[in-house]
Amino acid sequence: QVQLQESGPGLVKPSETLSLTCTVSGVSISSNSYYWGWIRQPPGKGLEWIASFNYSGSTYYNPSLKSRGTITVDTSKNQFSLRLRSVTAADTAVYYCARHFGRVNGMDVWGQGTTVTV
Amino acid sequence: DIQMTQSPSSLSASVGDRVTITCQASQDITNYLNWYQQKPGKAPKLLMYDASTLETGVPSRFSGSGSGTDFTFTISSLQPEDIATYYCQQYDKLPRTFGQGTKVEIK
Repeated sequence: QVQLQESGPGLVKPSETLSLTCTVSGVSISSNSYYWGWIRQPPGKGLEWIASFNYSGSTYYNPSLKSRGTITVDTSKNQFSLRLRSVTAADTAVYYCARHFGRVNGMDVWGQGTTVTV
Repeated sequence: DIQMTQSPSSLSASVGDRVTITCQASQDITNYLNWYQQKPGKAPKLLMYDASTLETGVPSRFSGSGSGTDFTFTISSLQPEDIATYYCQQYDKLPRTFGQGTKVEIK
């Protein structure tokens, strides 16, 4: 059974860097079978795709991040992380990590989400 | 970016009613459309992909149709456990984009 769990600070100060980690169990993220990604949801609002990658090196970012985001991978811990620089109040959201099916087609397994307040 | 417009934004229906949500894309996305269900305080759940293919384990009262720019999501007989917000999402082009959501409530 594939499970994802987000972790990170609940509170980040404006202009600082937000760092979140997703720990995956039940499947290796170094398998090329899947893409993995981040999605966020501001309070009371809809969903926004942030970024996704697969282990072969393909990484995609939402241009709305304005080059502030970076995904890193730690295969020894089966984790991937999102760093978001220069955060503002607009980055306040619940952040989800998820597994994609296909090439970033959709998200079929989600973490429970972690709330970040800027 | 491809804009996804859902309607209505919210609806109230009785148990057993047929519920229909529409999703319109700002350009042709063929059938590259997913539908998700999100219950309060929970992560979204994938219900349907390729516009009309049910994810494994999803009840058959859920269905989808459409292609090109216009899509429909239907609950044939609304159940109390279907109370949630529903989102469409296109995967024709990057960045992947979602509709604004439709909140379904029981009358």
